Amino acid sequence: DSGVTQTPKHLITATGQRVTLRCSPRSGDLSVYWYQQSLDQGLQFLIQYYNGEERAKGNILERFSAQQFPDLHSELNLSSLELGDSALYFCASSVSIGEQFFGPGTRLTVL
Amino acid sequence: TQLLEQSPQFLSIQEGENLTVYCNSSSVFSSLQWYRQEPGEGPVLLVTVVTGGEVKKLKRLTFQFGDARKDSSLHITAAQPGDTGLYLCAGPRTGNTGKLIFGQGTTLQVKP
Repeated sequence: DSGVTQTPKHLITATGQRVTLRCSPRSGDLSVYWYQQSLDQGLQFLIQYYNGEERAKGNILERFSAQQFPDLHSELNLSSLELGDSALYFCASSVSIGEQFFGPGTRLTVL
Repeated sequence: TQLLEQSPQFLSIQEGENLTVYCNSSSVFSSLQWYRQEPGEGPVLLVTVVTGGEVKKLKRLTFQFGDARKDSSLHITAAQPGDTGLYLCAGPRTGNTGKLIFGQGTTLQVKP
């Protein structure tokens, strides 16, 4: 158990819909990272938050957004969903540069 | 652009065999991490190597960081079916964001 929690574990929705994925980092970790992992691709970095502020952006679509709240939990919002958004979404947290601890992931299926 | 290249991409071996996975870059990294990921689950951090030439052992797994901190290797002795999974190396991108650069991964299958 990494100490990072993600909910829900599975999410099935339809094209055009909007969903919210939730992540609680390890106690004491200020940084939260979001990744997308599709079957045919490796881990794709989406976005990083540090203590409530956006720190780095990766290949995140404009339809996707995220935020980190004062209690340090983070949410990833995916809107106008397309079939190609079906993937595993991971959250990771860290206290120092280099080591990240990953949550169990949310499997999103868009039908 | 910092890149990490892993080889081989796929490895299928019999139980009891030894293997080595390589992670190479033309860039210097302040540290490198190795993760193992099982299907449908999140990557699990195995080890972090920080010092050039450093060797760390985790039971039957031996990790080495190159002297120039541009490469790393993972050696598994007497592989077991439980070692099956995706092995990822990663290193922090230059700068203070903490963003990790990941290799494309090595899929290991150990057959009983």
